[in-house]
Amino acid sequence: KQEVTQIPAALSVPEGENLVLNCSFTDSAIYNLQWFRQDPGKGLTSLLLIQSSQREQTSGRLNASLDKSSGRSTLYIAASQPGDSATYLCAVQETSGSRLTFGEGTQLTVNP
Amino acid sequence: GAVVSQHPSRVICKSGTSVKIECRSLDFQATTMFWYRQFPKQSLMLMATSNEGSKATYEQGVEKDKFLINHASLTLSTLTVTSAHPEDSSFYICSARGGRWTGELFFGEGSRLTVL
Repeated sequence: KQEVTQIPAALSVPEGENLVLNCSFTDSAIYNLQWFRQDPGKGLTSLLLIQSSQREQTSGRLNASLDKSSGRSTLYIAASQPGDSATYLCAVQETSGSRLTFGEGTQLTVNP
Repeated sequence: GAVVSQHPSRVICKSGTSVKIECRSLDFQATTMFWYRQFPKQSLMLMATSNEGSKATYEQGVEKDKFLINHASLTLSTLTVTSAHPEDSSFYICSARGGRWTGELFFGEGSRLTVL
């Protein structure tokens, strides 16, 4: 059974700092991995999707990497801003269009 | 990206009543939609997989008679919480596959159910 773990559970940083969020998964036979952002009381916003054949994806100040063989992914946020404060969730999909298995999330607070 | 819309975003009901939540894919057809439940400060728990034109597949421990799922068209799935009780109060989120080849899933805005 696939299990997804995110470390740390919570992170508080000053504005402008670069930071890394970690995600690990137990079964490396995945189809893709997605990073999401969730604001309090809201749904999920897809940030980045990495196919199993890819090593990384970038969007603006966000960069996600994937090391499938070791079961790890990182989300790098450059020059953090207070507006980045949210919970970040990673999730893996084992086949195309199948369910997602989520980690517990990292609650990020960026202080002005 | 693809858009998934949920309605209502918030609902308060009395214990014993039934509540219906709608999930629509606005700009694409979704043969499969997923319903998740999220408790405060916890991650998402998959409740069921909704397949257009057929019965939903429920996860272990989810009561199918309590959480009725209907997927009558390629753009609409509904979750009905029957005879709701306070312990059913939660945040319910649906998702649908928007990327045909990437498998990417897009999520609705969620529905906050409070049962008094």
